[in-house]
Amino acid sequence: NAGVMQNPRHLVRRRGQEARLRCSPMKGHSHVYWYRQLPEEGLKFMVYLQKENIIDESGMPKERFSAEFPKEGPSILRIQQVVRGDSAAYFCASSPIGHSYEQYFGPGTRLTVT
Amino acid sequence: AQSVTQPDIHITVSEGASLELRCNYSYGATPYLFWYVQSPGQGLQLLLKYFSGDTLVQGIKGFEAEFKRSQSSFNLRKPSVHWSDAAEYFCAVGAAMTGGGADGLTFGKGTHLIIQP
Repeated sequence: NAGVMQNPRHLVRRRGQEARLRCSPMKGHSHVYWYRQLPEEGLKFMVYLQKENIIDESGMPKERFSAEFPKEGPSILRIQQVVRGDSAAYFCASSPIGHSYEQYFGPGTRLTVT
Repeated sequence: AQSVTQPDIHITVSEGASLELRCNYSYGATPYLFWYVQSPGQGLQLLLKYFSGDTLVQGIKGFEAEFKRSQSSFNLRKPSVHWSDAAEYFCAVGAAMTGGGADGLTFGKGTHLIIQP
């Protein structure tokens, strides 16, 4: 049973470009969470999604950031017009139906904005 | 709002010695508590969790943690550490949402564990 998959593992973007981060949850998991980890910091919750539905986006910056989890395919975290402060590790986690308190994390995408 | 404090940024332990990593939380109701471990450049691996019941929980890799409501603590322990335990350890707290899902987790800033030979 494959774990949570994220790609790319490393992403380099110039200021002003768009970044797209993908997350495929574990098989049978219907909940996806996105977190951001800045250097020397713990993870900060960004958004919680179920298929075709955003449940809680209280941790998402108000501008430039968006997330989706379509009926088919991976969840996408999209950052428009990236700035240097967006450089961080972005982790996706998924949890199973009926056990949504347990979150299993992917390896992360390390975004560097130059 | 919930919060998690890990008072020790770095801890150095000799191989074979015992370990205790501290975690204090702030939350209005009974929380769901977790410990995760992160190796350099890697994702987070769940070590153990507490939802309810027995306040001493066992996890993987020989770790255990004890929930103490009176102290709002959930300290992680291991009787004898191995060099491979060197990593970053995160305590996290979560809460159930009324819709049956789970809230996003709130993490502490982490404790960096160094193992001396």
